[in-house]
Amino acid sequence: GEDVEQSLFLSVREGDSSVINCTYTDSSSTYLYWYKQEPGAGLQLLTYIFSNMDMKQDQRLTVLLNKKDKHLSLRIADTQTGDSAIYFCAALSGGYNKLIFGAGTRLAVHP
Amino acid sequence: SAVISQKPSRDICQRGTSLTIQCQVDSQVTMMFWYRQQPGQSLTLIATANQGSEATYESGFVIDKFPISRPNLTFSTLTVSNMSPEDSSIYLCSGLGNEQFFGPGTRLTVL
Repeated sequence: GEDVEQSLFLSVREGDSSVINCTYTDSSSTYLYWYKQEPGAGLQLLTYIFSNMDMKQDQRLTVLLNKKDKHLSLRIADTQTGDSAIYFCAALSGGYNKLIFGAGTRLAVHP
Repeated sequence: SAVISQKPSRDICQRGTSLTIQCQVDSQVTMMFWYRQQPGQSLTLIATANQGSEATYESGFVIDKFPISRPNLTFSTLTVSNMSPEDSSIYLCSGLGNEQFFGPGTRLTVL
């Protein structure tokens, strides 16, 4: 079945860019999602990309998809302390309409 | 975008009892899902809630332990039966329309 992997921790300085990486195994995954979870809160959908796209930009967020390598990244420009959270990558498992989640990357933003 | 609400938001329960969690979506969604997020972990899919028929359970989850109902396109319930401390988790409802959204979660603590 689908497997989604992420690095567990990222620390950046306020104002720098953050890049969170994700790999997945199912080449037939149709949609790939990024969710944000703040402490004690639910999941907030940040953005998603369809598998026939290479890039999607939405304000400070840029998603890059390398379908050949099955690699997805989320870039946050001008990272702020309010961006501190856990970021989950998720792949819509092709043919099953199920979201498979990575373990989550904890982003810490320091002054 | 769809808004998903869950009740209760949190509960503390005694071992051996059962708790039913309700999920309401403010618009019709094609699919509804229930996920579990154990402390410090990622999300694991429990089952797909099917309208008017039995839910489709993932490996490791069974109907006797997690009975699910979905009487219409916008409402579903998950019951956690005969609870033990190992069931302490956040339980999240999710709906799939144009995008996949999540409810705020129900934080369950079993003593």
